[in-house]
Amino acid sequence: QVRLVESGGGLVKPGGSLRLSCAASGFTFSDYYMTWIRQAPGKGLEWISYISSTVTTIYYADSVRGRFTISRDNAENSLYLQMNSLRAEDTAVYYCARGAQLRYVDSWGQGTLVTVSS
Amino acid sequence: QSALTQPRSVSGSPGQSVTISCTGSRGDIGGYNYVSWYQQHPGKAPKLMIFDVSERPSGVPDRFSGSKSGNTASLTISGLQADDEADYYCCSYAGSYIMLFGGGTKLTVL
Repeated sequence: QVRLVESGGGLVKPGGSLRLSCAASGFTFSDYYMTWIRQAPGKGLEWISYISSTVTTIYYADSVRGRFTISRDNAENSLYLQMNSLRAEDTAVYYCARGAQLRYVDSWGQGTLVTVSS
Repeated sequence: QSALTQPRSVSGSPGQSVTISCTGSRGDIGGYNYVSWYQQHPGKAPKLMIFDVSERPSGVPDRFSGSKSGNTASLTISGLQADDEADYYCCSYAGSYIMLFGGGTKLTVL
């Protein structure tokens, strides 16, 4: 059974940093693309970053490029998102999700809330 | 890249059918057969309902079906049930390693 568990969310001041983690289990983590998708309060879904299974391909949405860094540790079955220079508009629930290349995502974590506020 | 366009809300009575549209462009929906649909109940994570335009993951009832014509994809839910009331999001690959979501549609079961 696929399980994705995010952690690391919380309250941070504008300009601050936060590192999100996602622990994966129930599947061969190293075989899959992984993505981060976020949802601002009361808003829709926004895909923000993905990383290929072997880290050869990484991509970011324009809204986070240059501030966020995605990474993974296949030995630890973990996905990460380092978020720097945080802004109020980054306030959202951040979901870790398993991807079928760039066709779709088939499993989601429960999400972790990041609040950027002074 | 702009988000895909969905109606903000649709509604139907139990047992009826509803269709949710998702309009994009030749650069996304029209150019690839990589449209997916997600159901999200309040306070919950999204759930994959349709992938590759019209394929259903195991466990998703066949009341849910997907299609595409030109730059517009559609999700049809037949035999509406109370538990179908949720937000629905379309998503499409848009080339250049970009994935786009629609703005979401709130389905109300009357």
